[in-house]
Amino acid sequence: AQRVTQPEKLLSVFKGAPVELKCNYSYSGSPELFWYVQYSRQRLQLLLRHISRESIKGFTADLNKGETSFHLKKPFAQEEDSAMYYCALSLNTGNQFYFGTGTSLTVIP
Amino acid sequence: EPEVTQTPSHQVTQMGQEVILRCVPISNHLYFYWYRQILGQKVEFLVSFYNNEISEKSEIFDDQFSVERPDGSNFTLKIRSTKLEDSAMYFCASSKNPPQTTGELFFGEGSRLTVL
Repeated sequence: AQRVTQPEKLLSVFKGAPVELKCNYSYSGSPELFWYVQYSRQRLQLLLRHISRESIKGFTADLNKGETSFHLKKPFAQEEDSAMYYCALSLNTGNQFYFGTGTSLTVIP
Repeated sequence: EPEVTQTPSHQVTQMGQEVILRCVPISNHLYFYWYRQILGQKVEFLVSFYNNEISEKSEIFDDQFSVERPDGSNFTLKIRSTKLEDSAMYFCASSKNPPQTTGELFFGEGSRLTVL
């Protein structure tokens, strides 16, 4: 079963424009949700986690249990935000992550 | 800053051959993982390893696959009798704590396996 869905494979926005990367999940329990990012020629790394309620590099993500969503947002995109973004879910049991298919974000100068 | 390292970065092999992918996790980490990503598809969990044994594995991780931590530093993934569909990027990751506590896995750069 597809636990994490990222409907957009590619997303392009202009520099300074708001950006929203969509993520929906399916899990009836209490999920732990994360966003991972992979910049060009770099390794996959954690961007932010929902339990921390933090803003990293201007990005925020709110867990909406009613809509089972965890969209990633940034009010003003920067060129350095261009990267592959993966939404990931961890169940409250077990050690595995479920990743979405990823969204490739391009910020146009 | 310590990093997870993987070798080789790229391996080409003939169908039916055995392949060993190597990983050196971050030294004080206790949990180790292998993930794979077939081109254009999502990153898929293969296996997690803790306390010298497999703690969880996916249905992808069948008898063709095995993992080992032979010497306390390396963490290897062996793929026996490779098939064309095993062609993928294989990522090793490690974490100090269980993923559901911090969510932070530290990934290697990946080993690209091409099966001909």
